[in-house]
Amino acid sequence: QVTLKESGPVLVKPTETLTLTCTVSGFSLSNARVGVSWIRQPPGKALEWLAHIFSNDEKSYSTSLKSRLTISKDTSKSQVVLTVTNMDPVDTATYYCARITGPFWGLWYFDLWGRGTLVTVSS
Amino acid sequence: DIQMTQSPSSLSASVGDRVTITCRASQSISSYLNWYQQKPGKAPKLLIYAASSLQSGVPSRFSGSGSGTDFTLTISSLQPEDFATYYCQQTYSSLALTFGGGTKVEIK
Repeated sequence: QVTLKESGPVLVKPTETLTLTCTVSGFSLSNARVGVSWIRQPPGKALEWLAHIFSNDEKSYSTSLKSRLTISKDTSKSQVVLTVTNMDPVDTATYYCARITGPFWGLWYFDLWGRGTLVTVSS
Repeated sequence: DIQMTQSPSSLSASVGDRVTITCRASQSISSYLNWYQQKPGKAPKLLIYAASSLQSGVPSRFSGSGSGTDFTLTISSLQPEDFATYYCQQTYSSLALTFGGGTKVEIK
């Protein structure tokens, strides 16, 4: 069974750094044409793509949040980690990880998603 | 970054209605456009990829069309389980896989 599961703190204080882990099963992070993306959704609002990392270690970040984001992967542990620095109450959201795949390089879609984890930023 | 604009932001429809949702890109994205469905409290689900390809297991009442900058998602006969929010996403720019603002489909 192919799954993704997010884990991390449910509450962080303003200015702290958030570290989220996406643990995948049923597929390898070293598979060709496979990547993992992080997406967030503030309560009642739209989806916002944050970052992704591919099997070849290619990474990309949201332009508006680039200075605060770092994505990395540990293939042996089947984990992708996202850190977000200098957290603010506006960063309160459900954070999802999703598998990126596609029939050829460049034609991507997010075919599997984790359940998401709600992170609240409050003092 | 490529901006994705969906319209309408919400709509009311009845079971059996034909529903069309539009997504417009700020520049040409060829056919690199996906559609997702999200129900309250749940993760999004892939419906359509590459503008018109139906994801495995998705009912055939869902269809997608368009290329360049203008795209549509059509539900041919709305079913009770289709009341949800729908998002488009461009993947033309692999540097930023941006989503549209969403369209909420509600019961009339």
